[in-house]
Amino acid sequence: AAGVIQSPRHLIKEKRETATLKCYPIPRHDTVYWYQQGPGQDPQFLISFYEKMQSDKGSIPDRFSAQQFSDYHSELNMSSLELGDSALYFCASSLSRDRGLQANYGYTFGSGTRLTVV
Amino acid sequence: AQSVTQLGSHVSVSEGALVLLRCNYSSSVPPYLFWYVQYPNQGLQLLLKYTSAATLVKGINGFEAEFKKSETSFHLTKPSAHMSDAAEYFCAVIWYSSASKIIFGSGTRLSIRP
Repeated sequence: AAGVIQSPRHLIKEKRETATLKCYPIPRHDTVYWYQQGPGQDPQFLISFYEKMQSDKGSIPDRFSAQQFSDYHSELNMSSLELGDSALYFCASSLSRDRGLQANYGYTFGSGTRLTVV
Repeated sequence: AQSVTQLGSHVSVSEGALVLLRCNYSSSVPPYLFWYVQYPNQGLQLLLKYTSAATLVKGINGFEAEFKKSETSFHLTKPSAHMSDAAEYFCAVIWYSSASKIIFGSGTRLSIRP
């Protein structure tokens, strides 16, 4: 079965550079969520999109932006990278039209993009 | 305030022993509850979920969890630990009042002693 695809798997950037992370949700899923997991930390919610519109916002820095495209894939754009941005970035997708269905899916996560800022 | 708490950042058990990982939530309305496992340098894998059906939920790899409303708990158990169970385990919730995002507990690292 198709899963959530994230690219790239690994990314090394220098301070002050920019990075773009991509997420391809499970087919027919309309909602995408982004999470950041620092070393030894639990995943923290960054932002989510439903039907190409931002649906919720968490602890996402102003240097980061994201969008969801017409094919439902999403991109997380990160500028002026800092050493503290080094983390594992997860994307998850779900079908959000029905809260019960959404919970039953339990959110499918991608394998993540490991960003290292040097 | 709504919260999800995992007691014990690190649990160590012997191979073959009972595994018990604790998770409590704080909310007047029970949320949807999940357990995820994360192996070293891997992504998040769903172990099991509670969505208001049976209170005893069976998941993959021999794990199960019981929802106890009176105790606001959703502890994860496995009768006999295996070396391959060593990983980070996250309890997670979706609150009814939220915009549907999943919120994770702080995680419990499970170590298995030979």
